[in-house]
Amino acid sequence: AQTVTQSQPEMSVQEAETVTLSCTYDTSESDYYLFWYKQPPSRQMILVIRQEAYKQQNATENRFSVNFQKAAKSFSLKISDSQLGDAAMYFCAYRSAPYGSSNTGKLIFGQGTTLQVKP
Amino acid sequence: NAGVTQTPKFQVLKTGQSMTLQCAQDMNHEYMSWYRQDPGMGLRLIHYSVGAGITDQGEVPNGYNVSRSTTEDFPLRLLSAAPSQTSVYFCASSGRAYEQYFGPGTRLTVT
Repeated sequence: AQTVTQSQPEMSVQEAETVTLSCTYDTSESDYYLFWYKQPPSRQMILVIRQEAYKQQNATENRFSVNFQKAAKSFSLKISDSQLGDAAMYFCAYRSAPYGSSNTGKLIFGQGTTLQVKP
Repeated sequence: NAGVTQTPKFQVLKTGQSMTLQCAQDMNHEYMSWYRQDPGMGLRLIHYSVGAGITDQGEVPNGYNVSRSTTEDFPLRLLSAAPSQTSVYFCASSGRAYEQYFGPGTRLTVT
């Protein structure tokens, strides 16, 4: 069974600075997707960024980028130029590749990291 | 386009009561799931469905029932509520592509 671990329950960053959130996972599958979701106080789950395991290039979305290390099973999120609106809980999540019997749409989540942004 | 809708947003139950959390999506997605979110534990999968008439258990299924009679709807039933079921519940749906769409969540308190 796959597992996802976020070892940082809380992080803080100064506004305009850079912060990195850590995530490790365990799987025996070779093809899968990894995600970072943001959950602000409104509770809404917002997709921040995704990474397909077969892609070697790290995904980037504006100020958000990942460091995907497949051999190490590591998937960290870097937030550059942090803004007050980035304050939220962040979840790392895993999904099996969408084909065959593993195509169930299930996500496996880490425990979450609460990010505080200081003005 | 409403996406994924959940009702109610808040609910308080007494121990032993039953209720149904409603979930609907209008994106013609095959895959739907129910998660519960508890502090320090992330979101854990309760039940999921890969299409109408097909459901299966997730990580924490005890105390919950589901059915999927249509593609659009995936209700979650609590047959006899217990304080351990106090949580925030999310319904989600996805198509064959990667992205999972979440409903706004239901905060349930069982006293």
